[in-house]
Amino acid sequence: QLVLTQSPSASASLGASVKLTCTLNSGHSSYAIAWHQQQPEKGPRYLMKLNIDGSHSKGDGIPDRFSGSSSGAERYLIISSLQSEDEADYYCQTWGTGIQVFGGGTKLTVL
Amino acid sequence: EVQLVESGGGLVKPGGSLRLSCAASGFTLRTYSMNWVRQAPGKGLEWVSSNNPSRSGRTYIYHADSLKGRFTTSRDNAKNSLYLQMNSLRAEDTAIYYCARSDGHIFDFWGQGTLVTVSS
Repeated sequence: QLVLTQSPSASASLGASVKLTCTLNSGHSSYAIAWHQQQPEKGPRYLMKLNIDGSHSKGDGIPDRFSGSSSGAERYLIISSLQSEDEADYYCQTWGTGIQVFGGGTKLTVL
Repeated sequence: EVQLVESGGGLVKPGGSLRLSCAASGFTLRTYSMNWVRQAPGKGLEWVSSNNPSRSGRTYIYHADSLKGRFTTSRDNAKNSLYLQMNSLRAEDTAIYYCARSDGHIFDFWGQGTLVTVSS
């Protein structure tokens, strides 16, 4: 069974950096994932695809402040120079044959 | 510009049916996989179904195990539209339903969603 685990919440100060984590369960540590952002009262927005080697490709118009990296079964979303509009829920997503899976999401608070 | 616009949501009684539509523009629908994802109030994203065209012309359709038998997804490429037929609706199906395009499994564009409320 394919499972993604995310911490429910994170916080960081305006202008600082934050690293959000998405963990793949045992047996699936080589999977690529995608990160999505959901601002309050809005639909999700695709941020990037992130591979096991840390290479990533971003969606249209995603600022350079957003980047990704990987270590083993962990996939990270790094947001630098935090802005107020970065306060949102962040979801990771992966896939298997005939199935799509989302992590539970991390609510990011910008202090 | 890629746009996905969902419609068809509303209030429905338990046991009732509803058909959601997703109007796609800005790209050629027949060449992309399309998906439905839902979000219950205050909860996270939950995959509902995927509708995947293949080069052979066959369409592969997948649904979340928990929804099989009640929900079915289809498309009309000529109308640039994706559909979700929902039957035997339950209170726990109350959610915002999003349409999303996928490119190589990545959900790269999302609609704004349509709210379905199942209540007596």
